[in-house]
Amino acid sequence: DAGITQSPRHKVTETGTPVTLRCHQTENHRYMYWYRQDPGHGLRLIHYSYGVKDTDKGEVSDGYSVSRSKTEDFLLTLESATSSQTSVYFCAITALGEQYFGPGTRLTVT
Amino acid sequence: TQLLEQSPQFLSIQEGENLTVYCNSSSVFSSLQWYRQEPGEGPVLLVTVVTGGEVKKLKRLTFQFGDARKDSSLHITAAQPGDTGLYLCAGYGTGTASKLTFGTGTRLQVTL
Repeated sequence: DAGITQSPRHKVTETGTPVTLRCHQTENHRYMYWYRQDPGHGLRLIHYSYGVKDTDKGEVSDGYSVSRSKTEDFLLTLESATSSQTSVYFCAITALGEQYFGPGTRLTVT
Repeated sequence: TQLLEQSPQFLSIQEGENLTVYCNSSSVFSSLQWYRQEPGEGPVLLVTVVTGGEVKKLKRLTFQFGDARKDSSLHITAAQPGDTGLYLCAGYGTGTASKLTFGTGTRLQVTL
C-alpha cells in the first residue's frame, strides 16, 4: 500500500458534463500517473506529472486535462465527458522504478 | 509507439495444470515488469526483470526476460484458484525511464 486514494470510486455522469477525478498520495512521491483501463487494451497512459505544475501527455490524452498544484494531489478533468470515456481510471505513483496503483474510479458516461 | 502484445488473451484451466503467458514486442525494453490485478482493485507488481536472459522465481511463478530484451514469459506451475486474475506485463522503453508501456493483458481463471 503506497498511500494512494482515489475519489470518487464510482461516478455516473451525462454526456457533455465536466468531471474531475482526484488522486491523493501521502508519501511525497514525485511522479504520478493517470491511466484508463478498457477490455483488450490493458492500461493506457493519459497524462503524468513529474512535479508540482509539471505535467506531460500520454498516449490517450485527447479530451483530458490534468493539474498538480500540490505534491500530494493529481487531478484528472474530463472537460466535456463523452460515452467513449466510460472506463476505469487508475492513478499510480512510481517509487524506485516500481509503480503502485490506487483502487480505481469506475466512470460511466450516459 | 512501443507495443506489448500478450498471449493468450484468456486462459481457463483446472487446478494443478501448468501454463505459460507470453509478452512480445518488436521494441527493446530496459526492464520489464509483471503485475497481477484482481477484480475491483489496481494492479500489483509481482516482479521486475532487468537483464536479458534473466530468470526470476516467485514460489510457483517463473519469469523470464528474453535475451534481446524484447519479450518475456510467465510460467505458473501447478496453478491454484488463488492465481486467478488479470496478468499484465509492462516495460520501460530505452530512453523513457518515466513511462511504462502496458501489455494487453491475460485473464486467467483457475477452477477446482
